Amino acid sequence: EPEVTQTPSHQVTQMGQEVILRCVPISNHLYFYWYRQILGQKVEFLVSFYNNEISEKSEIFDDQFSVERPDGSNFTLKIRSTKLEDSAMYFCASTLDYFSYNEQFFGPGTRLTVL
Amino acid sequence: GESVGLHLPTLSVQEGDNSIINCAYSNSASDYFIWYKQESGKGPQFIIDIRSNMDKRQGQRVTVLLNKTVKHLSLQIAATQPGDSAVYFCAEIDGSGNTGKLIFGQGTTLQVKP
Repeated sequence: EPEVTQTPSHQVTQMGQEVILRCVPISNHLYFYWYRQILGQKVEFLVSFYNNEISEKSEIFDDQFSVERPDGSNFTLKIRSTKLEDSAMYFCASTLDYFSYNEQFFGPGTRLTVL
Repeated sequence: GESVGLHLPTLSVQEGDNSIINCAYSNSASDYFIWYKQESGKGPQFIIDIRSNMDKRQGQRVTVLLNKTVKHLSLQIAATQPGDSAVYFCAEIDGSGNTGKLIFGQGTTLQVKP
């Protein structure tokens, strides 16, 4: 069964450092998403990506964040200068076609710890 | 603004009993709702969905009920098993956008006692 994969599973970084979280969505999917979940809280939308551009972003997704689909298979989330409050689980998700209410598949997540 | 919320943070049930997890939403324009299960250390896993033109949908051991009049969603799990222990989130597709972004509720922890 196809699945969304994410690497690394756990990333520890110093405040102010750049991190890149990587995702490989399901191969024939067209819509890609990043969500985050602070420990014990609900999952929050960060950004959606379609046709090689951002289609929507939340207030959380400020200038320190960027996304990229560099090679047609990977989907990355970059945080340029991490802050303590960026510590969270980051989930990548993909879906075939939003307009047909297709299921959004989530990856296992990357736990980001900012020290 | 729109929000999706849950009535109870924790639900404890005996193995074999039926579980009912509730969710309230505030955006009457929402037209698609999903229940996700999240086990410890894992990403959300799709359980069942329902469109706003339906009031009930059944899956294997799970049933979702939608009451648009009171903007309420529930997930019923029949014959709850230890493997059902997890956090359950309701989510809605934001009907005001065209991106498929999910808005999640706070989550209910389901504890199944053997």
